[in-house]
Amino acid sequence: ILNVEQSPQSLHVQEGDSTNFTCSFPSSNFYALHWYRWETAKSPEALFVMTLNGDEKKKGRISATLNTKEGYSYLYIKGSQPEDSATYLCAQYSGGGADGLTFGKGTHLIIQP
Amino acid sequence: NAGVTQTPKFQVLKTGQSMTLQCAQDMNHEYMSWYRQDPGMGLRLIHYSVGAGITDQGEVPNGYNVSRSTTEDFPLRLLSAAPSQTSVYFCASSYMGRVTNTQYFGPGTRLTVL
Repeated sequence: ILNVEQSPQSLHVQEGDSTNFTCSFPSSNFYALHWYRWETAKSPEALFVMTLNGDEKKKGRISATLNTKEGYSYLYIKGSQPEDSATYLCAQYSGGGADGLTFGKGTHLIIQP
Repeated sequence: NAGVTQTPKFQVLKTGQSMTLQCAQDMNHEYMSWYRQDPGMGLRLIHYSVGAGITDQGEVPNGYNVSRSTTEDFPLRLLSAAPSQTSVYFCASSYMGRVTNTQYFGPGTRLTVL
């Protein structure tokens, strides 16, 4: 079982400010890292899938970077808006005997007007 | 496309009762999986399937059975419900080559076991 850690656990950000948070994962036998956005009372939705060291992906005001050698990924949100309030999950592909994704506990982001 | 559908949305069971959580997808995805989500925990994989007739255990399989008789359906059975199985259950599906393919999640089933 992989150990995927996310920090901080929760984050309050003023509307208009930019923010970022971290996903740490084992760097050995790396396959892929997924980021999901999970709004309350909805199901998780995919943001990015990253596979290569140095990868940088962007979707609107949200971007993510990947460092597979040191085992971390950052998610950045530029100019936070209230609709960005959600839990952001990262997940690493497990491989081996238990297929599927190993999820971190998430970063709960609250944007304050 | 309806995507991934789950029924029921809510369920209350008594300890010892059995039930089946239904999951269906209409995207012709080979890979389907069940996760549970508990407060303070990440999503944890219960069982998964890479195609009809093939299932395997995830991280927390005890107390649950699955089968995959068709590509579309992947039901999760609780054989004898226990309070520790109180959780929100999510079904997900994706194309094969799942290392990079994103997973599509259903809306979830909130289960309470008394």
